[in-house]
Amino acid sequence: QKEVEQNSGPLSVPEGAIASLNCTYSDRGSQSFFWYRQYSGKSPELIMFIYSNGDKEDGRFTAQLNKASQYVSLLIRDSQPSDSATYLCAVPRGGAGNQFYFGTGTSLTVIP
Amino acid sequence: SAVISQKPSRDICQRGTSLTIQCQVDSQVTMMFWYRQQPGQSLTLIATANQGSEATYESGFVIDKFPISRPNLTFSTLTVSNMSPEDSSIYLCSVITETYNEQFFGPGTRLTVL
Repeated sequence: QKEVEQNSGPLSVPEGAIASLNCTYSDRGSQSFFWYRQYSGKSPELIMFIYSNGDKEDGRFTAQLNKASQYVSLLIRDSQPSDSATYLCAVPRGGAGNQFYFGTGTSLTVIP
Repeated sequence: SAVISQKPSRDICQRGTSLTIQCQVDSQVTMMFWYRQQPGQSLTLIATANQGSEATYESGFVIDKFPISRPNLTFSTLTVSNMSPEDSSIYLCSVITETYNEQFFGPGTRLTVL
């Protein structure tokens, strides 16, 4: 089992809809979880992180964490064409201060 | 967040030659890494650049092919040696800062080997 797994997609949603991106992880001891956005031809950009069970909201983005199920998700409300990108889930190796395991990414297309 | 610059941003090279990519960070960082990302693929970690000592390479990557230097806390280089077309990729420098336990990426170097 890979340390971090994501559906590769592609995921297509109409403009204004909610996009839901999912990620599972294998290390039950993981404490922090990160979401990156990568536009085509660009480098990954950190958009959110979450440490505690439950939801964390930042503008149109909501990260959800369920440690019991080893599941983290990213919801994008009111999706815009500019949200079209690949979204990467990441978990630190061996805890904070170490580099991350990255998922393979989910490609999202928001259709105008 | 850390501001990371890479040089060159892109290059086209001939088979058998070598290219050195530079990574500069605007603040001291705890860890620096080099990744490769081939078209349509996810990130592949090449190595961790260690200050003042040999880099730590991931499985499938060796020092002779990808020599790495890190002379101080803010600078590192990656050399892609004896290049072949299979080395065509985007090479990314990445850091974890002292202040935040977050990982940031440089803008990348797009390498094409003919």
